[in-house]
Amino acid sequence: GAGVSQTPSNKVTEKGKYVELRCDPISGHTALYWYRQSLGQGPEFLIYFQGTGAADDSGLPNDRFFAVRPEGSVSTLKIQRTERGDSAVYLCASSLSGGRGYTFGSGTRLTVV
Amino acid sequence: KQEVTQIPAALSVPEGENLVLNCSFTDSAIYNLQWFRQDPGKGLTSLLLIQSSQREQTSGRLNASLDKSSGRSTLYIAASQPGDSATYLCAASHNDMRFGAGTRLTVKP
Repeated sequence: GAGVSQTPSNKVTEKGKYVELRCDPISGHTALYWYRQSLGQGPEFLIYFQGTGAADDSGLPNDRFFAVRPEGSVSTLKIQRTERGDSAVYLCASSLSGGRGYTFGSGTRLTVV
Repeated sequence: KQEVTQIPAALSVPEGENLVLNCSFTDSAIYNLQWFRQDPGKGLTSLLLIQSSQREQTSGRLNASLDKSSGRSTLYIAASQPGDSATYLCAASHNDMRFGAGTRLTVKP
């Protein structure tokens, strides 16, 4: 597509539930990134994919967070047993190769109640 | 691990002032340094990207400089306007991009 698409744009879920956030990168972009942005903070790095594999997942806060990119295109960020502290905007970006020419999606605003 | 720091955290200036936003990063092995603008509740808008081999980039009233060896970048905004009010984020890229916490700028009419 023309840009990075993230769905849903907004998600409200109850504490303890499981959620999936989807990112559809620009066609042909091999690198894909997930960030989390809390109110008043800069985006916090979560995980970076090069192709299908996670090149760096050091930003995932704990084992409730997991991300996949099975075919090297669409990625899904999965959060188990959601907590109120998980509420944030989750941003996805893609680039042709690692470290260059990022394009960001509009984000998914997750609210855990 | 790359750490990016932005100073000041917030800045309020009267319209027409020239101002400088500062960004520092701990690992000088970067591909580029990028400045973004973010309006409340909105996504990131790229302003300027400086490649590691470059010293500065200019776009209109904005000028960004990069001193890779000292781990610093500055964003200079000339003749500020109320419409410049936003949060400005810098990000240092190697294989991934690491952001500072941003500077929240308010330009008063």
